[in-house]
Amino acid sequence: ETGVTQSPTHLIKTRGQQVTLRCSSQSGHNTVSWYQQALGQGPQFIFQYYREEENGRGNFPPRFSGLQFPNYSSELNVNALELDDSALYLCASSLAEGSLGYTFGSGTRLTVV
Amino acid sequence: QQQVKQSPQSLIVQKGGISIINCAYENTAFDYFPWYQQFPGKGPALLIAIRPDVSEKKEGRFTISFNKSAKQFSLHIMDSQPGDSATYFCAARSGGYQKVTFGTGTKLQVIP
Repeated sequence: ETGVTQSPTHLIKTRGQQVTLRCSSQSGHNTVSWYQQALGQGPQFIFQYYREEENGRGNFPPRFSGLQFPNYSSELNVNALELDDSALYLCASSLAEGSLGYTFGSGTRLTVV
Repeated sequence: QQQVKQSPQSLIVQKGGISIINCAYENTAFDYFPWYQQFPGKGPALLIAIRPDVSEKKEGRFTISFNKSAKQFSLHIMDSQPGDSATYFCAARSGGYQKVTFGTGTKLQVIP
């Protein structure tokens, strides 16, 4: 059974650029959630996808968007990058039906310069 | 909006001692309270979790104590070991689409 894998592991972008982060969910999991973790902080909920549709969103602007694919993998897209977007982006998968916990990936470290 | 408050921010414990981390929440709609352990360079990993209808749950050296009326819960790590050195996050899940709200984290250092 594979866990959650994220790519790339590290990324450096310039302010104003766009970025796409990718996540492969754990086998059998149908729900993917994305979190932003600033240095020294707890993860902050960005949004969740279930059956290829956004199923809840945190307090993040529309320039944060996502996709979920039929195989339950997911992408996080961020447009017009700002310096404050520098953070660890975590993907977590879970099983919607009766699920009690997330399985997190190791994250993508995004640095915006 | 800070819905889960966690303390202390950092903790140093002697090997063999008890580590205690406290959390408080505001939203009575939370229905599941997990604790996550995070090592540097890794994502958080589920450690132990409790539902609000249970006052205590123990798994090995890790125990959650839950006080529903006070809206507080805590993690106790018995016989703390250097390998327990990590950042610990309390969290709370609201129903429906399973959004999990995390505390700000406690960096635990267990010294030999």
